[in-house]
Amino acid sequence: QVHLQASGPGLVKPSETLSLTCTVSGYFISRGHYWAWIRQSPGKALEWIGSVYYSGTTSYNPSLKSRVTISVDTSKNQFSLRLTSLTAADTAIYSCARVASLTPSYYPADNFFDPWGQGILVTVSS
Amino acid sequence: EIVLTQSPGTLSLSPGEAATLSCRASQHVASDLAWYQQRPGQAPRLLIFGASRRATGVPDRFSGSGSGTDFSLTISRLEPEDFAIYYCQQYVTSPGTFGQGTKMEIK
Repeated sequence: QVHLQASGPGLVKPSETLSLTCTVSGYFISRGHYWAWIRQSPGKALEWIGSVYYSGTTSYNPSLKSRVTISVDTSKNQFSLRLTSLTAADTAIYSCARVASLTPSYYPADNFFDPWGQGILVTVSS
Repeated sequence: EIVLTQSPGTLSLSPGEAATLSCRASQHVASDLAWYQQRPGQAPRLLIFGASRRATGVPDRFSGSGSGTDFSLTISRLEPEDFAIYYCQQYVTSPGTFGQGTKMEIK
């Protein structure tokens, strides 16, 4: 059974950089699939941030692309999110998830998501 | 970017009743629509993909229908564990987008 667990700080200051890590168990990231970060700000809809493949290939939401870096560490079976120049608008629950694939050997970067990890609340405040 | 509008925002029902949740897309999304359930304190769980295909392990009281711009999630007989928030998501174009959610509460 695939399990994802996000970790990182719960409080970050404005203008600083957020770094979160998602640890995957029950499935080797290097087997395939893109792996995604998704967030939900208070009162707003869920928002796909971006995805990473085990090779390091990435795809980002254009709305965040200039501030986002997603990377992967297959030796630790982890992938990470880096979001720069934080403002209060980045306060959100950040979740990690596997991007679903319906066809063997075809892995889309942006699709539906299954499974999800438990989200982590990140507050941007001084 | 495709906007998904879910209705109603809140649905108050009793266990044993049937529920119908709606999701309308601002543009045609074919059948590239998923539904998720999020119970309090838990991660979202995939229920339906391809508009009508149940994910593994999802009870058959959950069913999805629709194509194009109008979609529905029906729960035939509500169980206590079904009271949660439900989100729809389109993935026909990138970035995929989500609806604001429908909160199902016990009447």
